[in-house]
Amino acid sequence: QVQLQASGPGLVKTSQTLSLTCTVSGGSISSGGYYWSWIRQYPGKGLEWIGYIFYSGSTYYNPSLESRLTISIDTSKNQFSLNLTSLTAADTAVYYCARDAWGYGSGLDVWGQGTTVTVSS
Amino acid sequence: EIVMTQSPATLSVSPGERVTLSCRASHSLSSNLAWYQQKPGQAPRLLIYGASTRATGIPARFSGSGSGTEFSLTISSLQSEDVAVYYCQQYTIWPPWTFGQGTKVEI
Repeated sequence: QVQLQASGPGLVKTSQTLSLTCTVSGGSISSGGYYWSWIRQYPGKGLEWIGYIFYSGSTYYNPSLESRLTISIDTSKNQFSLNLTSLTAADTAVYYCARDAWGYGSGLDVWGQGTTVTVSS
Repeated sequence: EIVMTQSPATLSVSPGERVTLSCRASHSLSSNLAWYQQKPGQAPRLLIYGASTRATGIPARFSGSGSGTEFSLTISSLQSEDVAVYYCQQYTIWPPWTFGQGTKVEI
């Protein structure tokens, strides 16, 4: 079965860029009509959808983050990635990657375990 | 952006009780609504999609209903392992997807 694993630095300095990678195993990132999403959860537990990418490279970003965000995909490595620039303390959160099955009328049906990111000067 | 509002914020119940959680959307979703369960230290898990379809492996005591702007998640007989925070999420037509603020179910 498909599994996702997010990885990246746990601590990033204010104003720097966050780079996270999600590795997909147990299935091809290019198969089917799935999208690949990033979601974050703030310390107060609220969830925010960040954006998604399709295997073709087409993306959709949350307008609240669009100016700072890039999501990319490497089908040869079965990975997709997130780059978020100009970090502030408000970006401190647990970052999840997930398989997005909205094209099948479903939701986020497979989640990675999450990686905690702390932004501090 | 579609705003999702869940109620109540916290629900204290006894084992075996029937539990109903509510989720309201600021715009019609048709049936493009999902419910997730999140236990401490874990990622959210998909319970229900399409407002009423159970995801793979989800026990039959979980059921979803509603359409348009009003939705509910029911646990027919609460088990101790159901203690968690439950979130609703809309995925209608076009992003951004949005989540409700969550309902905490405790015993």
